[in-house]
Amino acid sequence: EVQLLESGGGLVQPGGSLRLSCAASGFSYSNCAMYWVRQAPGKGLEWVAGISGSGGHTRYADSVKGRFTISRDNPKKTLYLQMHSLRAEDTAMFYCARSEGDFWSGKENYFDPWGQGTLVTVSS
Amino acid sequence: EIVLTQSPATLSLSPGERATLSCRASQSIDSQYLAWYQQKPGQAPRLLIYDASNRATGIPARFSGSGSGTDFTLTISSLESEDFAVYYCQQRSSWPLTFGGGTKVEIK
Repeated sequence: EVQLLESGGGLVQPGGSLRLSCAASGFSYSNCAMYWVRQAPGKGLEWVAGISGSGGHTRYADSVKGRFTISRDNPKKTLYLQMHSLRAEDTAMFYCARSEGDFWSGKENYFDPWGQGTLVTVSS
Repeated sequence: EIVLTQSPATLSLSPGERATLSCRASQSIDSQYLAWYQQKPGQAPRLLIYDASNRATGIPARFSGSGSGTDFTLTISSLESEDFAVYYCQQRSSWPLTFGGGTKVEIK
């Protein structure tokens, strides 16, 4: 069974940093692109970042470019999101998600499945 | 950036009725690269439909997707109690990946 388990969320002050983790199991991790998607309280979904199976290619939403860094450790089957210069508008549930294939496989950039999410609150 | 507009914002229907949800794109989506997700309160989203019309694994046949270009539709042929939720469309035609604002299907 494919499982994704996020951790690392919490309360952080504006301007602060936080690192999220997502532990994966049940599939060939290095063959799949991975993503972070967030959802502000009571709002819709926003794609944040994506990374190829090897980790060599990354993509970011303009709203986080230069502040967030997505990375992965394939031997540990773990996805990360390093967040700096956090703002109140970054407050959200952060989900990690998998695509069934890697970038350029024809199966990339859909999200299936999703983890249960980790809540990030940016407030003083 | 491709903007996805979903309508209506809220759909009030009774169990057994047919639900028709719309997703309109600001520009044409290549190769029908559009997906639909279902999200229930307190849960993560779940992939229902990919590439406009293909059901994801384990998704019941009452869910179907159609459309091309800029206009896409999710149809639930006969609503079951567990189908009352929020539905989002998402495009993978170009970066950045974007979602529609969602349609809430509520019990009438």
